[in-house]
Amino acid sequence: DTAVSQTPKYLVTQMGNDKSIKCEQNLGHDTMYWYKQDSKKFLKIMFSYNNKELIINETVPNRFSPKSPDKAHLNLHINSLELGDSAVYFCASSQAGQGDSPLHFGNGTRLTVT
Amino acid sequence: GQNIDQPTEMTATEGAIVQINCTYQTSGFNGLFWYQQHAGEAPTFLSYNVLDGLEEKGRFSSFLSRSKGYSYLLLKELQMKDSASYLCAFDQTGANNLFFGTGTRLTVIP
Repeated sequence: DTAVSQTPKYLVTQMGNDKSIKCEQNLGHDTMYWYKQDSKKFLKIMFSYNNKELIINETVPNRFSPKSPDKAHLNLHINSLELGDSAVYFCASSQAGQGDSPLHFGNGTRLTVT
Repeated sequence: GQNIDQPTEMTATEGAIVQINCTYQTSGFNGLFWYQQHAGEAPTFLSYNVLDGLEEKGRFSSFLSRSKGYSYLLLKELQMKDSASYLCAFDQTGANNLFFGTGTRLTVIP
């Protein structure tokens, strides 16, 4: 069974469209995250949710909005897509924040905006 | 501010030993993670160091010096499948995310 699963794996869309990426974890973890990995392979935190509360929101445009219907799911909605949004988006989870609890990543969603 | 420096690329021969260095600057440092990421795949956890010193885990070992803001990942008996990016990351006291470096792309050649 996949521990952290996200869909779709590939997403190609045009500028201005609205899209969503779904993420689910079956590890029973308390915290879920969205990371963005750009073309230079730099992984940057976007959001994290702990018990359905947003606890981190980095300087991410408000076109990006996380939605967590329950502890096992954290979806990412993106409005009015722009060319610069093209990247690989990784969902991850961990137990009760960080410390010695490593992140478990999903397989990533490669978003291409044309 | 926060910063992580690690070499962009390294090449090593199958069967050899390679050391990937990482230096970091941050306040409220908690611990240092190493992740492995194969091309087109998700990062996977390798190690976590909180205390100074070397921790060995099979062919992989990780070292931390908190006073120097320095860590390295040591890979022994290199195999072709070790070709991947190796990401250094730290977590901070009170924060709830990891700060990643840009990774070191390691190529293992025959």
